[in-house]
Amino acid sequence: KNEVEQSPQNLTAQEGEFITINCSYSVGISALHWLQQHPGGGIVSLFMLSSGKKKHGRLIATINIQEKHSSLHITASHPRDSAVYICAVRSPLFGAGSYQLTFGKGTKLSVIP
Amino acid sequence: ETGVTQTPRHLVMGMTNKKSLKCEQHLGHNAMYWYKQSAKKPLELMFVYSLEERVENNSVPSRFSPECPNSSHLFLHLHTLQPEDSALYLCASSSSPLNEQFFGPGTRLTVL
Repeated sequence: KNEVEQSPQNLTAQEGEFITINCSYSVGISALHWLQQHPGGGIVSLFMLSSGKKKHGRLIATINIQEKHSSLHITASHPRDSAVYICAVRSPLFGAGSYQLTFGKGTKLSVIP
Repeated sequence: ETGVTQTPRHLVMGMTNKKSLKCEQHLGHNAMYWYKQSAKKPLELMFVYSLEERVENNSVPSRFSPECPNSSHLFLHLHTLQPEDSALYLCASSSSPLNEQFFGPGTRLTVL
């Protein structure tokens, strides 16, 4: 079974700061997802990546397959970025056609004005 | 508006009640999912449907019974639940089971 670890568990930042959230996993994967969950529960998919780097607005996600590690960066952070950020991986070890995602526990981010 | 809706948003039920959660997606997707999110625990996949066929069942107790009558609708029928089943139940959909998922707002379930 793939173990997904996120760090830090909690993060408080001042508005404008550059933020990094880390995700590491134990077994090779076919894809990694970054999700954002706001208070109240709604979840938004931010990125799905299997290699390299993706950018969307102020958000950047990178993945290093060899090191089994991914980072989510937020530039010029804003209070509206306050949310829980969740990493999830799909591992080929679950078998071809398997749809199982393994989730991290999430990183709670608070951005203070 | 995510294109995935869930009703009800909040549900309180007794252990002997029978209730159903409903999910509807307006995105033309072929795959739909039920997830459970308990306090302090990661999201757990419960069921996956692809083209209305159940393709994954994650050892979920039989007191949870899914139904997918068509590719736009997904139900989770609940009966004789336990207090530890209290959680946020999230529905999601995707164009195929291996693609990016779009989540609904969730149903906050409390079992008394």
